[in-house]
Amino acid sequence: DGGITQSPKYLFRKEGQNVTLSCEQNLNHDAMYWYRQDPGQGLRLIYYSQIVNDFQKGDIAEGYSVSREKKESFPLTVTSAQKNPTAFYLCASRRTGGPDTQYFGPGTRLTVL
Amino acid sequence: SQQGEEDPQALSIQEGENATMNCSYKTSINNLQWYRQNSGRGLVHLILIRSNEREKHSGRLRVTLDTSKKSSSLLITASRAADTASYFCATDGGNQGGKLIFGQGTELSVKP
Repeated sequence: DGGITQSPKYLFRKEGQNVTLSCEQNLNHDAMYWYRQDPGQGLRLIYYSQIVNDFQKGDIAEGYSVSREKKESFPLTVTSAQKNPTAFYLCASRRTGGPDTQYFGPGTRLTVL
Repeated sequence: SQQGEEDPQALSIQEGENATMNCSYKTSINNLQWYRQNSGRGLVHLILIRSNEREKHSGRLRVTLDTSKKSSSLLITASRAADTASYFCATDGGNQGGKLIFGQGTELSVKP
């Protein structure tokens, strides 16, 4: 099956700990995106990458970091500097040069205790 | 930054009725998309309409776009309980490197 996967589905961490969220795609898409969604809200862009070994900050990058060492993978680290990390995190990918349609993973719900 | 505003924020209808959701945006666009999100799940792409198109259909979905008013509407005809979800519009903000700008969403509840 082709698609985009995120793991784990639920994640609990203690305050002050860094945590890394996984995002993998086998769609051969060049571009990948990380969004944050708070209850009853739309999506806000954290980071995006249009090609391997390159990424750019989105609208709310503070307290987050990413890497893009492989085309298939775009992990997001939520650092202890992120003041309010409890949220639903969504990863997406897109084929560059085509329509702007993004394909989303199932999301990871992070709860910081 | 969020540029989309959707109206209404929540909509409750009976099965079989039509549901209309509206989206307004602020900047010029190349295209506008609508996505659906079931509770606690990822988003699923529904339909894309280009800036030079005024109306597009896909099954029970009808999307209109008025670039002079910077607005779009999504109509779901003959709604079903399975259509219960949140619906988001997203624009490309005019050549933003593939980035999408999402609205706040309309929460649709279809009662059987």
